Amino acid sequence: AAGVIQSPRHLIKEKRETATLKCYPIPRHDTVYWYQQGPGQDPQFLISFYEKMQSDKGSIPDRFSAQQFSDYHSELNMSSLELGDSALYFCASSPTGKLSYEQYFGPGTRLTVT
Amino acid sequence: KNEVEQSPQNLTAQEGEFITINCSYSVGISALHWLQQHPGGGIVSLFMLSSGKKKHGRLIATINIQEKHSSLHITASHPRDSAVYICAVPQGGSEKLVFGKGTKLTVNP
Repeated sequence: AAGVIQSPRHLIKEKRETATLKCYPIPRHDTVYWYQQGPGQDPQFLISFYEKMQSDKGSIPDRFSAQQFSDYHSELNMSSLELGDSALYFCASSPTGKLSYEQYFGPGTRLTVT
Repeated sequence: KNEVEQSPQNLTAQEGEFITINCSYSVGISALHWLQQHPGGGIVSLFMLSSGKKKHGRLIATINIQEKHSSLHITASHPRDSAVYICAVPQGGSEKLVFGKGTKLTVNP
């Protein structure tokens, strides 16, 4: 069965650069969630989208922005990268939109900022 | 906000042993997730359950909604089961998830 796809799987950037992470949900899933997991930390919710609209927002820095496109894939754009942005970023998709508690996780993108 | 407690934090076992990892949460939920994370980071979804018990190979997950408690069991553990196991629940009234701190399992040959 198709799973959530994230690209790239690994990314190395320097401070002050920008990065774009992509998440491709399972077909017919219309909701995407983004989570950030710092080294030794538990994952934290960043932002979610339902039907191409932002549905919820967590502890996402103003330097980050995200959107969901017409094919339901989502991109997390990160600017002015800082060392503290080094983390595993993973997304999850959900099949039925708001208030669905089924979430299917992608493998994550490991971002290293040097 | 839903609080998630996992125990133990660290667990070392010998190959073949039966493993139990526990998860308790504070706010009623409709579903709970068990995730596996190997060194290097990738998240794998093991179970999503809202009642009773689910089994997949050597893995069994149970949940007691009334007691707000779930357990993940591994039968006949193997060194390749060594990973961090994380439970996650919706943050009361929301679909975004709150994660436990994880249980680091090491299975020695």
